[in-house]
Amino acid sequence: DAGVIQSPRHEVTEMGQEVTLRCKPISGHNSLFWYRQTMMRGLELLIYFNNNVPIDDSGMPEDRFSAKMPNASFSTLKIQPSEPRDSAVYFCASSPGTGSPLHFGNGTRLTVT
Amino acid sequence: GESVGLHLPTLSVQEGDNSIINCAYSNSASDYFIWYKQESGKGPQFIIDIRSNMDKRQGQRVTVLLNKTVKHLSLQIAATQPGDSAVYFCAEKSSGGGNKLTFGTGTQLKVEL
Repeated sequence: DAGVIQSPRHEVTEMGQEVTLRCKPISGHNSLFWYRQTMMRGLELLIYFNNNVPIDDSGMPEDRFSAKMPNASFSTLKIQPSEPRDSAVYFCASSPGTGSPLHFGNGTRLTVT
Repeated sequence: GESVGLHLPTLSVQEGDNSIINCAYSNSASDYFIWYKQESGKGPQFIIDIRSNMDKRQGQRVTVLLNKTVKHLSLQIAATQPGDSAVYFCAEKSSGGGNKLTFGTGTQLKVEL
């Protein structure tokens, strides 16, 4: 039973470059979440989708960040242009619905130099 | 200035002893709570959940206790094993907050042989 799949596992890029993180949620789950984890701030919710529609993007740091969910089996988180302070582990999670636990992928470790 | 990371509280226990990890929450409107375990290099893994209409729930070797009066949640792990060493997070969902979870800062559990 495949869990949430994220790619790439590691990304190293230079400041100013565009970064795209990818996520495949668990089949049948209708909610998808993007979280960021840093030592400074812990786990922070960036944005979440219900049935492919963005519901709450209040955690997206600034306009450099954007997220899309073109269909039920794929989502992207894009940072353009990237900055060193964006360095973090980015997690995608999915859930079958309200009041159900989130299932996390193993994250993408992003390093911006 | 110098950046300072989150200082995770650490709980050290002997193998075979019981562990109790505590979490305080502030939102009286939270109606669903989850405990997650995160091992190095992995995403948070679901352990156990509890809804606000309950005060105790048991799983395999784990028990979650909820005290709504003082807004306190605890995770008890029986007969702690080396494989239980990880960071443990509590998470809460507000009844008016859609499907999003807010995470605590985490507790590092170290099991000593």
